[in-house]
Amino acid sequence: GQQVMQIPQYQHVQEGEDFTTYCNSSTTLSNIQWYKQRPGGHPVFLIQLVKSGEVKKQKRLTFQFGEAKKNSSLHITATQTTDVGTYFCAGVSGSARQLTFGSGTQLTVLP
Amino acid sequence: DSGVTQTPKHLITATGQRVTLRCSPRSGDLSVYWYQQSLDQGLQFLIQYYNGEERAKGNILERFSAQQFPDLHSELNLSSLELGDSALYFCASRPGTSTDTQYFGPGTRLTVL
Repeated sequence: GQQVMQIPQYQHVQEGEDFTTYCNSSTTLSNIQWYKQRPGGHPVFLIQLVKSGEVKKQKRLTFQFGEAKKNSSLHITATQTTDVGTYFCAGVSGSARQLTFGSGTQLTVLP
Repeated sequence: DSGVTQTPKHLITATGQRVTLRCSPRSGDLSVYWYQQSLDQGLQFLIQYYNGEERAKGNILERFSAQQFPDLHSELNLSSLELGDSALYFCASRPGTSTDTQYFGPGTRLTVL
């Protein structure tokens, strides 16, 4: 079945540093979504990427979808303590339209 | 607030017992998904319902079952509980078929002692 690998599993950064998490799928995706889960919270939808090579920005967050639609990345510029949480990618493929979640990257921002 | 509600928020029970988790999707959403999240783990898809019918199954144990009722709320039944079933259980709903975005409820934290 489809697998989505995400790295790194953990990342500690100093406030103001940049952060990047990467996702790779074993199959070509219809689209990829990114979710954020704050400590003690539930996953919250951030964005969806659909087109090959697509790049989308939300303030300090930049999301990319690979040309082959099998990989994606999330880059945060100048992290803040409010960025703390676990970032999940979730790929969609096939007719079932299921979300297959990556294992997540837990981001800690040190003040 | 995603608009998805889950009850109870916390549940503590003993091994061998049976529990029922409840989920009400966002108004108008026909699809309901159940996920299990163990400590420091990702989200494992369990099962999906669409308008009352089972649509897809993930890594759901035979001891677990679910259903979606005519009013679209869903229940996840966990039986013969084991220590390893302790986890956060999330319900998510999806608005229609034109989008794959899912909206998650606050979750039910199950502790099996």
